[in-house]
Amino acid sequence: AQSVAQPEDQVNVAEGNPLTVKCTYSVSGNPYLFWYVQYPNRGLQFLLKYITGDNLVKGSYGFEAEFNKSQTSFHLKKPSALVSDSALYFCAVRDTRKLIFGAGTRLAVHP
Amino acid sequence: NAGVMQNPRHLVRRRGQEARLRCSPMKGHSHVYWYRQLPEEGLKFMVYLQKENIIDESGMPKERFSAEFPKEGPSILRIQQVVRGDSAAYFCASSELAGDYNEQFFGPGTRLTVL
Repeated sequence: AQSVAQPEDQVNVAEGNPLTVKCTYSVSGNPYLFWYVQYPNRGLQFLLKYITGDNLVKGSYGFEAEFNKSQTSFHLKKPSALVSDSALYFCAVRDTRKLIFGAGTRLAVHP
Repeated sequence: NAGVMQNPRHLVRRRGQEARLRCSPMKGHSHVYWYRQLPEEGLKFMVYLQKENIIDESGMPKERFSAEFPKEGPSILRIQQVVRGDSAAYFCASSELAGDYNEQFFGPGTRLTVL
């Protein structure tokens, strides 16, 4: 069965510093991986996806993610964090048309 | 182009009552997915529907829960005889195509509180 794991419940970063939110996956077959962000009392917003091709995927709001097959990871990154990036981030893998989500990582960016 | 619409945004029910949650997918999208998010947890898949068909209901509780997506009108998630454990945020998502590589677009959710 497909699954993803987000090993960190919370990540704290100072504004202007680079940020990384970690995700590892376990799949049979080709992985279709996604990152979503959730702001308080809101739905999920799509950030980016990996289907095939380049291991570095660029997405919305300056975010990017690095697909690493040997480490089965798909970490979300941003070169310079903003306070407005503070939110709940979910990694997900597609499993026969449905999404399987990780537990989420809360990102807190401090001024 | 309006996004995925859900209503109501907040719903309060007493134990034993029925809850009806509605979802209108994005224009041009014929694939609808329902997910449930318990407090401080990730989203869990419940059901996947196309127009007039339930494709995958592997995440739906066996009793009290049902879903439909009629030819006309929104998709409906129905919970009969609600219990306190049904309190959660229910999210609907839609996609244009069914392929594994197509992202799903999420609505704002309905937050159900069972008293």
